[in-house]
Amino acid sequence: DAKTTQPTSMDCAEGRAANLPCNHSTISGNEYVYWYRQIHSQGPQYIIHGLKNNETNEMASLIITEDRKSSTLILPHATLRDTAVYYCIVSETSYDKVIFGPGTSLSVIP
Amino acid sequence: SQTIHQWPATLVQPVGSPLSLECTVEGTSNPNLYWYRQAAGRGLQLLFYSVGIGQISSEVPQNLSASRPQDRQFILSSKKLLLSDSGFYLCAWSVGWGEQYFGPGTRLTVT
Repeated sequence: DAKTTQPTSMDCAEGRAANLPCNHSTISGNEYVYWYRQIHSQGPQYIIHGLKNNETNEMASLIITEDRKSSTLILPHATLRDTAVYYCIVSETSYDKVIFGPGTSLSVIP
Repeated sequence: SQTIHQWPATLVQPVGSPLSLECTVEGTSNPNLYWYRQAAGRGLQLLFYSVGIGQISSEVPQNLSASRPQDRQFILSSKKLLLSDSGFYLCAWSVGWGEQYFGPGTRLTVT
């Protein structure tokens, strides 16, 4: 079973920031938080991951709470091409396989 | 840079026919390899993973099998397809258990 819970769906206005929440209250000290997204009819795409500190790359920012029990993926300026299902996953990178849950379906609205 | 290939892109097969889907990775050595299936409107289901040549772990009992004859080649097979095998099949690779990179997928329709 997936170790995370995410809202089923969200809407975001084009050009605004999309903030996608994820709860992972049972996360252990060695587990990372990963985010992927899947655009319709394509394979999932890796976005970002982090352990404790906030992370930023060219695609998104990842904010992890101090207790690590939840995180937020931020798409700073959502475009129509960001419409996709977003998956939040926790995984221990040294030995653990990834389990994908149902994710959040993000719709970016013009 | 690393590249992952899957073929065919689409496939229509009758019930009871055999199946062979191939996945190859370029630009990396000794990757972990994965096969996932996604039924229409559903999430990703991990079917098999492999940490090395000849090493296959099965996640879900089914009429599918996987093989890894070479370091960067992963094959998904079935002797007799069922209607329930229809779906979107995705191959992925990773360095160790890190982030995974997915191929373009094969859309299989069993009729």
